[in-house]
Amino acid sequence: QQQVKQSPQSLIVQKGGISIINCAYENTAFDYFPWYQQFPGKGPALLIAIRPDVSEKKEGRFTISFNKSAKQFSLHIMDSQPGDSATYFCAASPEHTGTASKLTFGTGTRLQVTL
Amino acid sequence: GAGVSQSPSNKVTEKGKDVELRCDPISGHTALYWYRQSLGQGLEFLIYFQGNSAPDKSGLPSDRFSAERTGGSVSTLTIQRTQQEDSAVYLCASSLAYGYTFGSGTRLTVV
Repeated sequence: QQQVKQSPQSLIVQKGGISIINCAYENTAFDYFPWYQQFPGKGPALLIAIRPDVSEKKEGRFTISFNKSAKQFSLHIMDSQPGDSATYFCAASPEHTGTASKLTFGTGTRLQVTL
Repeated sequence: GAGVSQSPSNKVTEKGKDVELRCDPISGHTALYWYRQSLGQGLEFLIYFQGNSAPDKSGLPSDRFSAERTGGSVSTLTIQRTQQEDSAVYLCASSLAYGYTFGSGTRLTVV
């Protein structure tokens, strides 16, 4: 019940295209859903995050769509660029009251944006 | 410091030796986490420290692994009698509330 399932495992998108990565969860106690971006040799970096009180959050070219009833959320990268080539991880954590909570991560998606 | 600092960045050790990996979190962050990332794999949770609470050790793969956090700040992950399957990147992260800040990791190679 603690798993977060992520797909696809790898993705190749042409420059200018839309990259879409999907995640699904089971634990209804999850209430914070971040996405992390990791470049080779670096630690993951927080990209964008959403709480379940909204269905969509957009920051620049990156958008999270959230479907609470289906327990699914996805990352959309519009106008994908070669610099977006990285591994993306979705994650989720349960409700907490101001202190940190342990994140459960998806298995990652390796995105390659081609010219 | 400005970010999470991990040392060493790379460590090569012989099978059977003990190793210590260090994590210096962001000042003021009450939570500290250790994860392991094997080549091309996801993030495997190891251990979690939150303030003065007892650590969540549920992810430690064996009793050869241990970690401590001194003074609510620096943390050390110790692996005793290293095995080849311990080869991975060990990532540390800290947080105050939502969202982690990760270090760049320690790449451990056991030969």
